[in-house]
Amino acid sequence: AQTVTQSQPEMSVQEAETVTLSCTYDTSESDYYLFWYKQPPSRQMILVIRQEAYKQQNATENRFSVNFQKAAKSFSLKISDSQLGDAAMYFCAYRTSGTYKYIFGTGTRLKVLA
Amino acid sequence: DVKVTQSSRYLVKRTGEKVFLECVQDMDHENMFWYRQDPGLGLRLIYFSYDVKMKEKGDIPEGYSVSREKKERFSLILESASTNQTSMYLCASETDRGRDTGELFFGEGSRLTVL
Repeated sequence: AQTVTQSQPEMSVQEAETVTLSCTYDTSESDYYLFWYKQPPSRQMILVIRQEAYKQQNATENRFSVNFQKAAKSFSLKISDSQLGDAAMYFCAYRTSGTYKYIFGTGTRLKVLA
Repeated sequence: DVKVTQSSRYLVKRTGEKVFLECVQDMDHENMFWYRQDPGLGLRLIYFSYDVKMKEKGDIPEGYSVSREKKERFSLILESASTNQTSMYLCASETDRGRDTGELFFGEGSRLTVL
């Protein structure tokens, strides 16, 4: 069975600094997708970034980028130039291609300090 | 913008009561999900529906049932609420293409307390 592990329950970062959130996963599948979702306090969860396993190039969305290490089964999220609005719960998620089921990690709460 | 609306943000119910949580999406999405979110456990899938009247059990379906009579509406039912069902419940939807895009659209959540 697939698993997703987020080993950092909570992280803090100074405004304008860079922070990296860790995620590891386990799967025997070769075709899958990885995601980072953001859940701001009392607001809806939204997709931040996604990575297709077959792509070697790391995905980037503005200040958000990932470090995808397929052999190590690692998928970390880097947030550059952190802003107060980045404060949220971040969930790493996995999905085998062609299936409907997502596997979510336990989340990392990110605090941004002014 | 896609909108997923959950009928109640906060509910307080008594043990043994029947509870209905409703979710409506306005983008004609085929797939709809109910998740339960608990601290330290992440999101766990309760039920999934890929079409009207079609449903599949997720990881923790015990004590829950669902109904999807119309494409836009997906209801979660607790037949007899228990205190261990106190939790945050999240509804989500996606297009059928979403299986390869990963773009789940979530509601704001329904926080249920069972006394």
